[in-house]
Amino acid sequence: DQQVKQNSPSLSVQEGRISILNCDYTNSMFDYFLWYKKYPAEGPTFLISISSIKDKNEDGRFTVFLNKSAKHLSLHIVPSQPGDSAVYFCAAKASGAGSYQLTFGKGTKLSVIP
Amino acid sequence: IAGITQAPTSQILAAGRRMTLRCTQDMRHNAMYWYRQDLGLGLRLIHYSNTAGTTGKGEVPDGYSVSRANTDDFPLTLASAVPSQTSVYFCASSAGASYNSPLHFGNGTRLTVT
Repeated sequence: DQQVKQNSPSLSVQEGRISILNCDYTNSMFDYFLWYKKYPAEGPTFLISISSIKDKNEDGRFTVFLNKSAKHLSLHIVPSQPGDSAVYFCAAKASGAGSYQLTFGKGTKLSVIP
Repeated sequence: IAGITQAPTSQILAAGRRMTLRCTQDMRHNAMYWYRQDLGLGLRLIHYSNTAGTTGKGEVPDGYSVSRANTDDFPLTLASAVPSQTSVYFCASSAGASYNSPLHFGNGTRLTVT
C-alpha cells in the first residue's frame, strides 16, 4: 500500500503562472515532509521541507502547504520558470529513534512552457 | 567538491553475474541509503545504514546486500543479478535524523541486467 501518493504523473504550466503540485499521505505517524526536485541524469536535490507543527513554509518562489487533517500537502511555485521543469518528489518521514528513512511518492513531472 | 560519488555511472550486466555498486561520501554523514528508481514507481528504499557498522532493510531488500565498514563507503552488492533489477540506483546520505538533515543524493548508477 502506497503511503505517499502523487496522483498526477505530469503537469504543464505556462511560464509566469503558478504551478501547484499535490501530495497525499496515509500514515498518520508521518510528521515531516520534504519536496525533492530531479533533473534527468541527476540525483534528486532537496527543495523545501515542512514540519507537522506548521501549516506553511516559504522559500523564495517555493511554498509548501500542509493540511494535517486532510493528510495533504502541496508545493506552490510562483512564478514558474522554464528551469523549474523537472520531476518533483514528495517525501515523508516519522520522527523517533532511528527514523532516518524517507518514504517517497512516485513523482510528478512538471513542464513549464515558455 | 563535497558530496556523494557513485560508480559506475552505467553498467550492462548479464543475468546471474555478481555486481557491486560503489558509493562514497565526503560529508562525514552518519546515515547512508540505497534507493532504486523505476518508471511509475518512484524511489524505493533498498537498504540503509544509520551509522558505520550497522545496516537495515528497506522496502525492497531482496537480492541485495550492503556493508558499512566505515563512515564514507556504502557499497551495494547484487549477488546474482536478475532482469527485474534493471533500474537506476541512487545512493544518499544524511547527517542524522533531525529535521534539518535532508537526504543528499548521488547522480545514480543506471544498471541494465540482460
